[in-house]
Amino acid sequence: EIVLTQSPATLSLSPGERATLSCRASQSVSNSLAWYQHKPGQAPRLLIHDATNRATGIPARFSGSGSGTDFTLTISSLEPEDFAVYYCQHRSNWPPDFGGGTKVEI
Amino acid sequence: EVQLVESGGGLVKPGGSLRLSCAASGFNFSNYNMNWVRQAPGKGLEWVSSISSSGSWIFYADSVKGRFTISRDNAKNSLYLQMNSLRDEDTAVYYCARGLAVAGNFDPWGQGTLVTVSS
Repeated sequence: EIVLTQSPATLSLSPGERATLSCRASQSVSNSLAWYQHKPGQAPRLLIHDATNRATGIPARFSGSGSGTDFTLTISSLEPEDFAVYYCQHRSNWPPDFGGGTKVEI
Repeated sequence: EVQLVESGGGLVKPGGSLRLSCAASGFNFSNYNMNWVRQAPGKGLEWVSSISSSGSWIFYADSVKGRFTISRDNAKNSLYLQMNSLRDEDTAVYYCARGLAVAGNFDPWGQGTLVTVSS
């Protein structure tokens, strides 16, 4: 079973700042990693799939990088609507587990 | 518009059963793998179960194996989760999600349905 560790647990930033979120896998998942955004009371939203590909309709300020065991989600300039919890998820094998999440707060 | 709508949540006693449904619209349901993911109060997302487009393969998280059964009816564009022998720790919001790839790339997700297991 592959364990995904996200850091930091909480990121306190201001609108306009750059956010850098990390996801580390306990073993290689190649590029089989996705990032999701989740706001309270809403459905989670796919942001990035296969490590670097933005999902349909996702703004260009969101970008993903990495492969193997180390991955990064970058939000280049935070908008007010970006404050949320972000999760990574691998699909390298079963179970396709999620990381513990990073809360991006104001 | 691609849409998923869950239903069937509610309050149930420990040891009880509940059947969740997920109604899909706006896409060819029979072409996609489908998934259930849950979020317990104050916790993160937890993958629960996945089923292939034809139902030929099914996987479960260890935490629900032997108690939950995922199924689908492609003629009714619907996904189901039969939950038996429910425990307090099954209390969560349950989301259905379309899979764009095997075991991942879940998009979109439904709004979720709350299951509360309590005596």
